[in-house]
Amino acid sequence: RKEVEQDPGPFNVPEGATVAFNCTYSNSASQSFFWYRQDCRKEPKLLMSVYSSGNEDGRFTAQLNRASQYISLLIRDSKLSDSATYLCVVNSNQAGTALIFGKGTTLSVSS
Amino acid sequence: ETGVTQTPRHLVMGMTNKKSLKCEQHLGHNAMYWYKQSAKKPLELMFVYNFKEQTENNSVPSRFSPECPNSSHLFLHLHTLQPEDSALYLCASSQDGGLFFGEGSRLTVL
Repeated sequence: RKEVEQDPGPFNVPEGATVAFNCTYSNSASQSFFWYRQDCRKEPKLLMSVYSSGNEDGRFTAQLNRASQYISLLIRDSKLSDSATYLCVVNSNQAGTALIFGKGTTLSVSS
Repeated sequence: ETGVTQTPRHLVMGMTNKKSLKCEQHLGHNAMYWYKQSAKKPLELMFVYNFKEQTENNSVPSRFSPECPNSSHLFLHLHTLQPEDSALYLCASSQDGGLFFGEGSRLTVL
């Protein structure tokens, strides 16, 4: 089983749609979880951390289910500018210094 | 603008060349990383340095040699690379949380 697995995508949605991405991780001892966004030919940028209680940042909601080793990202009211690849990231060691990336899910929002 | 600066942004080298990638972070972070991003693959962690000490070497071939002289600078020395080493090499730094990436050095090995 891969350390971090994501929905393969691509997701093609119209503006205003709600879209959800899923991610599973294999290391049950993982403590830190993040969603990153990567635009074409650019570096990844931190979108949001994922907390045990779930967290929201504007139109974005992240959830963590430790029992199922599952993370999700929900985007409401999609904008054209949300088009990007979304990367699920999980730490793989106790120190939290070795973050492992999923392959990413590509989102394309059209007008 | 970014707190992590990488040079060069683009590099073309032959298999017998020796070159180095440089990374500098201006964020005061303690940890620095090298990642490799190839087409259709997830980012691959290569090396981790924490307070200048290497804490992770993810089975990287010896033709890649990292150097971390201080907490703000990280190098990746390259020698006798193979064409399959062509990729985007991303440097990142962190402190107790998420990673901040540089814009990457796009390497082409001929």
